[in-house]
Amino acid sequence: SYGLIQPPSLSVSPGQTASITCSADNLGENYVCWYQQKTGQSPVLVIYQDAKRPSGIPERFSGSNSGSTATLTISGTQAMDEADYYCQACDSGTGVFGTGTKVTVL
Amino acid sequence: QVQLQESGPGLVKPSQTLSLTCTVSGGSVSSPDYYWSWVRQPPGKGLEWIGHIYYSGRTYYNPSLQSRVTIFLDTSNIQFSLNVTSVTAADTAVYYCARRFYDFGHGLDVWGQGTTVTVSS
Repeated sequence: SYGLIQPPSLSVSPGQTASITCSADNLGENYVCWYQQKTGQSPVLVIYQDAKRPSGIPERFSGSNSGSTATLTISGTQAMDEADYYCQACDSGTGVFGTGTKVTVL
Repeated sequence: QVQLQESGPGLVKPSQTLSLTCTVSGGSVSSPDYYWSWVRQPPGKGLEWIGHIYYSGRTYYNPSLQSRVTIFLDTSNIQFSLNVTSVTAADTAVYYCARRFYDFGHGLDVWGQGTTVTVSS
């Protein structure tokens, strides 16, 4: 078991690119998933298997995972993307979440 | 369209056992295609994975909670449940149930709306 470390917060201007990192030793050897959680709502899966988007998730969300860092990238960030984002180690035997990143769009 | 709904007491006394049930609509916990999971979120804090169970009964738990947590399937085939023993105020949280496809790397794609549990005397 290990901890997944994310930056606590990130600010981005509308239309710009937001990159959220998730770090742990040898994280690239495990699959990573990403979730978006808006205030008062249940989380929503936005990326699975490092880089795949579930049906209905906009193309502006993309992911990568290599070495010790996984990254969620939001291209052309919109006001509706303002939320908390969590990474997760999503191999079968574990489900540990990252510490979470609050993304503010301003 | 599968839907999940948590249910259980909203208030539990310290040292007692917290028990929650998740009801699956439009699906079955006896399907080999999915893991069934519990996640919690203390007020103002991040998500914490509690554990998950496969249709066979095989369970996986967060090591930090393993000594106090049990997840089990209901014989109804449409419910699974969570017990947390010896609760303290630190167990106060919104508790979510969720579903995950069994194959490697799949995330929690269906979530319940969450139920708030407060531990207080």
